[in-house]
Amino acid sequence: EAGVVQSPRYKIIEKKQPVAFWCNPISGHNTLYWYRQNLGQGPELLIRYENEEAVDDSQLPKDRFSAERLKGVDSTLKIQPAELGDSAVYLCASSLLAGGSYEQYFGPGTRLTVT
Amino acid sequence: TQLLEQSPQFLSIQEGENLTVYCNSSSVFSSLQWYRQEPGEGPVLLVTVVTGGEVKKLKRLTFQFGDARKDSSLHITAAQPGDTGLYLCAGVRNFNKFYFGSGTKLNVKP
Repeated sequence: EAGVVQSPRYKIIEKKQPVAFWCNPISGHNTLYWYRQNLGQGPELLIRYENEEAVDDSQLPKDRFSAERLKGVDSTLKIQPAELGDSAVYLCASSLLAGGSYEQYFGPGTRLTVT
Repeated sequence: TQLLEQSPQFLSIQEGENLTVYCNSSSVFSSLQWYRQEPGEGPVLLVTVVTGGEVKKLKRLTFQFGDARKDSSLHITAAQPGDTGLYLCAGVRNFNKFYFGSGTKLNVKP
């Protein structure tokens, strides 16, 4: 079974430029998460989807970040315009209910560098 | 401010030594998960503990959930270089909302 797929793996852009990240979750996983992880820190939730509905986007900086999950499968996270402080690893995860609790499966992440 | 605090932040030990990583919070969680993350990869789930006081063993790793479901610990016996990585705890609330700790970076030297 294929895992969570993310692309690109690396992205270097200049500040004020737009950037987009793509995620394809594990087949059958209805819940999809986008996290941001700064170097040496734990992931911080940006947005969570249940199917195509964004059920938790309280931590998403909506002035510059947007996300969509059309048809409840793959998802795109966009930043426009990017700022220096956006440099981080952006992780996508999908989850499955197993044994009474949710198990998250993470993709390898996209490392974004804003110069 | 992180909802979950992990300690120590960094740990460098020799192969064969034992170690314990702590994950503490003032908040109650319905369950607690531990992940290991290697450079360039996403976190990988190691275990989920659900019941207060629960102890789970995974080969040389022992996980414990505090009685009050606010804290947890991970103990590794006879650490090996393959245990090197970033260990993350994550508290679970509202069924599928995850709050990650700040992480413990472990380096096991051969």
